[in-house]
Amino acid sequence: KAGVTQTPRYLIKTRGQQVTLSCSPISGHRSVSWYQQTPGQGLQFLFEYFSETQRNKGNFPGRFSGRQFSNSRSEMNVSTLELGDSALYLCASSYSGQGVGEQYFGPGTRLTVT
Amino acid sequence: DQQVKQNSPSLSVQEGRISILNCDYTNSMFDYFLWYKKYPAEGPTFLISISSIKDKNEDGRFTVFLNKSAKHLSLHIVPSQPGDSAVYFCAASEPGSSNTGKLIFGQGTTLQVKP
Repeated sequence: KAGVTQTPRYLIKTRGQQVTLSCSPISGHRSVSWYQQTPGQGLQFLFEYFSETQRNKGNFPGRFSGRQFSNSRSEMNVSTLELGDSALYLCASSYSGQGVGEQYFGPGTRLTVT
Repeated sequence: DQQVKQNSPSLSVQEGRISILNCDYTNSMFDYFLWYKKYPAEGPTFLISISSIKDKNEDGRFTVFLNKSAKHLSLHIVPSQPGDSAVYFCAASEPGSSNTGKLIFGQGTTLQVKP
């Protein structure tokens, strides 16, 4: 079974631009969560989608948004990029979001904002 | 406000010895705690979890202990192997959030196991 894939793997953007990251979950998984990882902060929860609906949201500004498509693929968008948005963005998928720990993470997208 | 804290950024142990990774939390409402392991250039992988109603869970070389009165949990790896060298994240979930994907992570501890 193929794992969670994220594209692109690396991205360099300029302050003020916007960016869209993509996540393809494991086949059959309907829940996709997004996390931001920065040095010293660990992983911080952005949002979670299940069956195209956002079920949970973390404490991030409205510049961070996401969506999920009918095939469970998910995208996250960051508008008006700031230097502090430089981070590793990870997505995780699970069958239903249930079963604590049953989340499978992708390798992440490394975003650098200059 | 960091609800889950891993106060040791790094830990170095000798192969064959015990590795103990620690995690403290502030929210007494957390209902599940988890440990993830992360290798460079890979996403975190689930290692072991424990429900808040238990005080110990064991899986092979990995054991997690939960001390609710101290709001502290620890991961024991015995015996440690060089392949265990990775970043270890402690995570917790709130009631009602465990099935919506939301986990609250600590900052991570880098474990180095020396041959």
